[in-house]
Amino acid sequence: GESVGLHLPTLSVQEGDNSIINCAYSNSASDYFIWYKQESGKGPQFIIDIRSNMDKRQGQRVTVLLNKTVKHLSLQIAATQPGDSAVYFCAENYWNNAGNMLTFGGGTRLMVKP
Amino acid sequence: DSGVTQTPKHLITATGQRVTLRCSPRSGDLSVYWYQQSLDQGLQFLIQYYNGEERAKGNILERFSAQQFPDLHSELNLSSLELGDSALYFCASGRAFSGNTIYFGEGSWLTVV
Repeated sequence: GESVGLHLPTLSVQEGDNSIINCAYSNSASDYFIWYKQESGKGPQFIIDIRSNMDKRQGQRVTVLLNKTVKHLSLQIAATQPGDSAVYFCAENYWNNAGNMLTFGGGTRLMVKP
Repeated sequence: DSGVTQTPKHLITATGQRVTLRCSPRSGDLSVYWYQQSLDQGLQFLIQYYNGEERAKGNILERFSAQQFPDLHSELNLSSLELGDSALYFCASGRAFSGNTIYFGEGSWLTVV
């Protein structure tokens, strides 16, 4: 089936640096995208979302960029902190014969070095 | 705390057995989603219910079934369990049936031995 193309790489950054986590999605008809953070042993937590009629959205220390031309989504975290260490997933929302789907990629592990 | 409650948190059972996982959505949410997460894997969508009706189906095995009750809580039934069914099972809830943020519970960790 279709899926968001995100392998499970590890991104290691120094505390205080900016982090950029990338995601390639597969369905050009996807209309809504969400970034989640998952800490060990916990459920995914909502970070930020963006609709397909936007190309950028900012939150507190986080920015999501959407490039529909190349079906690419990124999450930028400013001034990365040790508490940001987690696995990050992007999700895309689209419709198919099975109904409305919200599918997730494989995740990226972010490790913040003190 | 997301407001989504899942029970049990941990479950160990033998192959061939059947288990039921329960989920209470956030107050006011009509949609419930079930996802499976194996070790170091992404979240695999299983099924979605909205206001008691099945709305979308993902890669859910025939041995698995779910339902959403009038009080909007949901149950995921896993039968004829196999070793490969060992995973974290997450429930999530959302206000609408599409295009909205969904909030996850803490998961039910199933170990099949």
